[in-house]
Amino acid sequence: AQSVTQPDIHITVSEGASLELRCNYSYGATPYLFWYVQSPGQGLQLLLKYFSGDTLVQGIKGFEAEFKRSQSSFNLRKPSVHWSDAAEYFCAVSSPNDYKLSFGAGTTVTVRA
Amino acid sequence: DTEVTQTPKHLVMGMTNKKSLKCEQHMGHRAMYWYKQKAKKPPELMFVYSYEKLSINESVPSRFSPECPNSSLLNLHLHALQPEDSALYLCASRRQDAWDYEQYFGPGTRLTVT
Repeated sequence: AQSVTQPDIHITVSEGASLELRCNYSYGATPYLFWYVQSPGQGLQLLLKYFSGDTLVQGIKGFEAEFKRSQSSFNLRKPSVHWSDAAEYFCAVSSPNDYKLSFGAGTTVTVRA
Repeated sequence: DTEVTQTPKHLVMGMTNKKSLKCEQHMGHRAMYWYKQKAKKPPELMFVYSYEKLSINESVPSRFSPECPNSSLLNLHLHALQPEDSALYLCASRRQDAWDYEQYFGPGTRLTVT
């Protein structure tokens, strides 16, 4: 069965600083990987996804993620955070012919002025 | 239209009430989902409908009853809920193509059981 680990429960970053959120997955073949963001009281918005091809994926809001098969990782990055990036971030994995998404526990990002 | 809508946004109900949550999408997606999400936790899958048929029930208590009247609409009927059922209920939809596994989420219904 697939699983996802987000090692960081909470990250605090200064506005304008860079951000990296870690995600490790467990799956036998190439998984389908996603990063979602959730602002307080809102639904989940997809930031980016990886199915195949180029391992560096560009998403919305200036985010990017890199798939590293050797490390079973799919870390999310942003070069310069804005106060509006304060939110909960979830990494998720799916597999072919599987309806389900397996979510990580989430990382809360706080942005300080 | 790439939107999943959910109504109502907020719902407060007593333990003896019967209420329903509604979810709608017009993207032609044939898989639809209900999730329950507690604060600071990831969404937990409850039900999956595929081509209007229930394909997955994650051992959800019978006080939650899903319904998919057509390919665009998904309901969740609630009866005799418990205070611990208070949560954000999220709907999602997905294409059935083999190459697109992205789930599109609605904004959720914040449910409070008193």
